[in-house]
Amino acid sequence: KNEVEQSPQNLTAQEGEFITINCSYSVGISALHWLQQHPGGGIVSLFMLSSGKKKHGRLIATINIQEKHSSLHITASHPRDSAVYICAVRPSGSRLTFGEGTQLTVNP
Amino acid sequence: NAGVTQTPKFRVLKTGQSMTLLCAQDMNHEYMYWYRQDPGMGLRLIHYSVGEGTTAKGEVPDGYNVSRLKKQNFLLGLESAAPSQTSVYFCASSYAGGEGTEAFFGQGTRLTVV
Repeated sequence: KNEVEQSPQNLTAQEGEFITINCSYSVGISALHWLQQHPGGGIVSLFMLSSGKKKHGRLIATINIQEKHSSLHITASHPRDSAVYICAVRPSGSRLTFGEGTQLTVNP
Repeated sequence: NAGVTQTPKFRVLKTGQSMTLLCAQDMNHEYMYWYRQDPGMGLRLIHYSVGEGTTAKGEVPDGYNVSRLKKQNFLLGLESAAPSQTSVYFCASSYAGGEGTEAFFGQGTRLTVV
């Protein structure tokens, strides 16, 4: 079983819809990362959070350390949000552990 | 700022050939990492470095070697490429290795071994 599980694996939405991507992990951590990877592009960090909620534009990330669960929400989704969203945790030392990613496609 | 730069962006190798991927960062980061990304799998750590002159093995180190002669550069070498090494390779760097440290990624190198 992977230490980091994301759901869903694939998600298709219509422009304007509210989107939620979930991440569950099985190890103790104090911080979790959400990353975005555009087709053919590099990976950029969206959020790093250790408790509560963070917001950046239309993106909101929440984490519940006790339940070992995080969610990434996108409000008023747009086709340019189409990308792979990756959850990652760092249980110990310097090794980030990554989920498999969620492929999001937003249709106009 | 350039951030993390990887070269080359694309490469096709024949089985048995060798090559070196270069990663350069201009953020004075101590930690640098090489990952590979394969379909249906999360990013997997190949090797990493916690400072100039140091390297360590990650999850999938076999078939790869690395060097960190200068703080800003982290090289990944394939001595004898195999088709199983066809993948997208990402370099990343961070200021430190703690849990609350943000990692910065390069644009990736798409390697095909035929």
